[in-house]
Amino acid sequence: DIQMTQSPSSLSTSVGDRVTITCRTSQGIRNDLAWYQQKPGKAPKRLIFGASTLQSGVPSRFSGSGSGTEFTLTISSLQPEDFATYYCLQHNSFPYTFGQGTKLEIK
Amino acid sequence: QVQLAQSGAEVKKPGASVKVSCKASGYTFSNYGITWVRQAPGQGLEWIGWISTYNGKTEFAQKLQDRLTMTTDTSTSTAYMELKSLRSDDTATYYCARVFGDPDYWGQGTLVTVSS
Repeated sequence: DIQMTQSPSSLSTSVGDRVTITCRTSQGIRNDLAWYQQKPGKAPKRLIFGASTLQSGVPSRFSGSGSGTEFTLTISSLQPEDFATYYCLQHNSFPYTFGQGTKLEIK
Repeated sequence: QVQLAQSGAEVKKPGASVKVSCKASGYTFSNYGITWVRQAPGQGLEWIGWISTYNGKTEFAQKLQDRLTMTTDTSTSTAYMELKSLRSDDTATYYCARVFGDPDYWGQGTLVTVSS
């Protein structure tokens, strides 16, 4: 199975901050990685697919990069609605695996 | 518009089974797989399985494969997830999602509570 290491697990941040979240995989997955945002009581929402392609309708302050084993999600300037939990997901091979999640909290 | 509508919350006793449905609309059902993900209270997302709506092929998380069944009914564009021999640690919200590679559209989730 492909192991995912997502960091940090939580981050205390402020509106306007630049935030970077990292996912590392235990083996190369090309660009078969997606990023999701989840708010309490809601289903996950896809932000990025193919490691770097922005989902239609998602603000351009979100961006993804990486290939192989290391991937990043960057939020260029945090907005109040961005305080949520973020997950990466590898879909290169079964079983699919999620990162452990990163919770963004208001400082 | 693409929608996945899941069945309602369930309360089950340990040892029982639960079957959750996921009715798709707004796209051609057989062109996309369905994956299922669960989330225990206060915990992260856990992938539990996938089914091809084209030929019924399945892939499951190893820890659940002895208790998990996934099926589809193409005539009603509905996917089903059945989990047997329920335990307290199966208490979670179960999500279905449309898949072509990675999940894009998600159902609203179904809370399954296992309690004596």
